[in-house]
Amino acid sequence: DTGVSQNPRHKITKRGQNVTFRCDPISEHNRLYWYRQTLGQGPEFLTYFQNEAQLEKSRLLSDRFSAERPKGSFSTLEIQRTEQGDSAMYLCASSLVAQRETQYFGPGTRLLVL
Amino acid sequence: LAKTTQPISMDSYEGQEVNITCSHNNIATNDYITWYQQFPSQGPRFIIQGYKTKVTNEVASLFIPADRKSSTLSLPRVSLSDTAVYYCLVGDPNSGGYQKVTFGTGTKLQVIP
Repeated sequence: DTGVSQNPRHKITKRGQNVTFRCDPISEHNRLYWYRQTLGQGPEFLTYFQNEAQLEKSRLLSDRFSAERPKGSFSTLEIQRTEQGDSAMYLCASSLVAQRETQYFGPGTRLLVL
Repeated sequence: LAKTTQPISMDSYEGQEVNITCSHNNIATNDYITWYQQFPSQGPRFIIQGYKTKVTNEVASLFIPADRKSSTLSLPRVSLSDTAVYYCLVGDPNSGGYQKVTFGTGTKLQVIP
């Protein structure tokens, strides 16, 4: 299967700890997006990359959040000093810059901060 | 980006056709309408995209009237496996990162046996 993969699928951590999530996009896709989704809500945009460049960050992305895509392939999302309000599903999506771009989503990483 | 309004939830019996309408009064000239489906504990999945009139694929049909201020996703003969949340997005897919939007709450479709 060559879809978008995310690891880990689940993460439980204590408040104040740092966590890092990984996303592996579809290999030829040059755009990569991170979203956060809480229960009963749709995905909310956090940030996106085109190749290795981070082109936009949402105001939702506080200073405790950082994302990287060092070689324009996989990406990591780190949350420092986690808070209970960070508990959510973190979704990654990738797309190919082309006419009528379509995003392909991964299965997500579910984070629970105790 | 254009804001969309959808019903929060819908119920349907198996085998029936389901139509989910999305309102997008502020749609711009270059905007397309895209629908995604999401099952619990999975990421959203692209269903269909259109600009005007009617688009059909193996999964669904999308009807867009001439004024483009609304659109209707039509799912023929639904089955229990179509129980999911359906999101309507409006934006210009030819612009950089157009889907950096909030999906909204979507429409939760419950298919009843």
